[in-house]
Amino acid sequence: EAGVVQSPRYKIIEKKQPVAFWCNPISGHNTLYWYRQNLGQGPELLIRYENEEAVDDSQLPKDRFSAERLKGVDSTLKIQPAELGDSAVYLCASSTGQAYGANVLTFGAGSRLTVL
Amino acid sequence: GNSVTQMEGPVTLSEEAFLTINCTYTATGYPSLFWYVQYPGEGLQLLLKATKADDKGSNKGFEATYRKETTSFHLEKGSVQVSDSAVYFCALSDLGDSSYKLIFGSGTRLLVRP
Repeated sequence: EAGVVQSPRYKIIEKKQPVAFWCNPISGHNTLYWYRQNLGQGPELLIRYENEEAVDDSQLPKDRFSAERLKGVDSTLKIQPAELGDSAVYLCASSTGQAYGANVLTFGAGSRLTVL
Repeated sequence: GNSVTQMEGPVTLSEEAFLTINCTYTATGYPSLFWYVQYPGEGLQLLLKATKADDKGSNKGFEATYRKETTSFHLEKGSVQVSDSAVYFCALSDLGDSSYKLIFGSGTRLLVRP
């Protein structure tokens, strides 16, 4: 079974440019998460989807970040315009959304963004 | 609020040495606790978990016991291998937080030398 697939793996852009990341979760996983991992730190949640609905986007910087999950499967995270401080690894994860003890997240390999 | 604190790395050990990575937490409810591992160039993988006090999670020779009295979930392994070199993240998911999100510590890098 394929895991969580993310693309691109690496992206280098200049500040003020737009960038988009794509995620394909594990088949059957209704819950999808986008996390941001800054260098030397643990991942921090940006947004969580239950099917196509964003149910927790409180940590998403909405002035420049947007996300969508059309048809409740694949998801795209966009940054426009990018700033130097956005350099990080963007992780996508998915889960079945079961009760907390069984809610194991499966992570993709991440998309590493460098903003120059 | 909820938080996780891990010992800073890197932790450098020789092969077959005993490993302990400390993790303590703060939670308003009754959290589940997790250890995730991130190998170079790969995504985070669940290593083990525990859902209630005194539970012991174990996998691949690693163990961690949920200690409510000390709010700790220390990771241990009796004999590390070079292949265990990775970054280890302690995390919690709080029963009182219906978002099911994981809150991570900052990670501890382990380097095992032959």
